[in-house]
Amino acid sequence: DTGVSQDPRHKITKRGQNVTFRCDPISEHNRLYWYRQTLGQGPEFLTYFQNEAQLEKSRLLSDRFSAERPKGSFSTLEIQRTEQGDSAMYLCASSLVTSSGEQYFGPGTRLTVT
Amino acid sequence: QKEVEQDPGPLSVPEGAIVSLNCTYSNSAFQYFMWYRQYSRKGPELLMYTYSSGNKEDGRFTAQVDKSSKYISLFIRDSQPSDSATYLCAVEGSQGNLIFGKGTKLSVKP
Repeated sequence: DTGVSQDPRHKITKRGQNVTFRCDPISEHNRLYWYRQTLGQGPEFLTYFQNEAQLEKSRLLSDRFSAERPKGSFSTLEIQRTEQGDSAMYLCASSLVTSSGEQYFGPGTRLTVT
Repeated sequence: QKEVEQDPGPLSVPEGAIVSLNCTYSNSAFQYFMWYRQYSRKGPELLMYTYSSGNKEDGRFTAQVDKSSKYISLFIRDSQPSDSATYLCAVEGSQGNLIFGKGTKLSVKP
């Protein structure tokens, strides 16, 4: 296994459009996390899944954001009606339940909203 | 007060120097502490993962946690130009999420 992968790596979209990102975690990891990182800041937690159940959501996750992990494997993060303030790096991480702080990150999807 | 505070730097050192990176945190309930390294436009890479107080060493890297003062440190010995990156400290929050500092940008000059 080569680690967490994310697709696409870069996305440029116009304001008001919908975008969807995909994350494939490390295969034996049952927890999957989404974070957002803006320039000069550390990553900020958005939400996480344990298997297919979405267990926690940050208040940063507005109703324009939705995440799914339908079969407990890969996950998607959709942003509807994008705004310029959504421009950021979207990071996915995965871990085992037994060592949930030991999270391994993917390369990120850089979103630019014009 | 933010839950994790970290001086963003930048920090510039000559090759071979010992680097000291530090963070403070506010909640004494935090038990797990992490250091990540992030190169420009890449995802964070887990460097060190420690539980409670004490030291943990891995090669040129030593992580130190002082729970009495809510202070976490990362030391890099014999620093190399390839260590130039942003270093992020993190704690594990009560929701299972990680809470990060802003990151310290380190530059190691040959």
